[in-house]
Amino acid sequence: DAKTTQPTSMDCAEGRAANLPCNHSTISGNEYVYWYRQIHSQGPQYIIHGLKNNETNEMASLIITEDRKSSTLILPHATLRDTAVYYCIVGGATNKLIFGTGTLLAVQP
Amino acid sequence: EAQVTQNPRYLITVTGKKLTVTCSQNMNHEYMSWYRQDPGLGLRQIYYSMNVEVTDKGDVPEGYKVSRKEKRNFPLILESPSPNQTSLYFCASSSLTGQARWGYTFGSGTRLTVV
Repeated sequence: DAKTTQPTSMDCAEGRAANLPCNHSTISGNEYVYWYRQIHSQGPQYIIHGLKNNETNEMASLIITEDRKSSTLILPHATLRDTAVYYCIVGGATNKLIFGTGTLLAVQP
Repeated sequence: EAQVTQNPRYLITVTGKKLTVTCSQNMNHEYMSWYRQDPGLGLRQIYYSMNVEVTDKGDVPEGYKVSRKEKRNFPLILESPSPNQTSLYFCASSSLTGQARWGYTFGSGTRLTVV
């Protein structure tokens, strides 16, 4: 069963912030939100994860709503190289992650 | 360089001819996993392993075998491949402890075609 809902695709202008939403209304208290991305059939790449606080690293920011039922991945200044499929995943800290079909982000010049 | 290495990158084979896709990681990770990726279906987990000699089925294990005799290696075996196993395969590894457990490292993929 799908545990997250993401839009199938999104566009973003180069240099602008890309905000990718994810709904996970059935998330349980000990489950984390993970984000990965996959660039054109390459192996997926870990981006960021969080439990309930907002998180930031060198790649992106993760904003999780207070009720934890949704989150947003923010790429602050999207480049053409950020064009990829982005996966939002909910799972425990047990390393078994279930990938859905993700959001295809197309960064436009 | 920390990495997961899969071989071969591309493979075309015939129905019924046993094959093995190798996966090796140099990060001393306990956890390893195999996924297959098909259009419209995303990544689906085939098998995973929490440590040496410990393996378990994922969501689509039928037609596949794995083994974990050494920590670094996690081969995927197709005893009698069929055309519906034509897919893009990924191996991934992760630590089970510390900060490194939060991110999978994926291999570059193996594109398998069974005719």
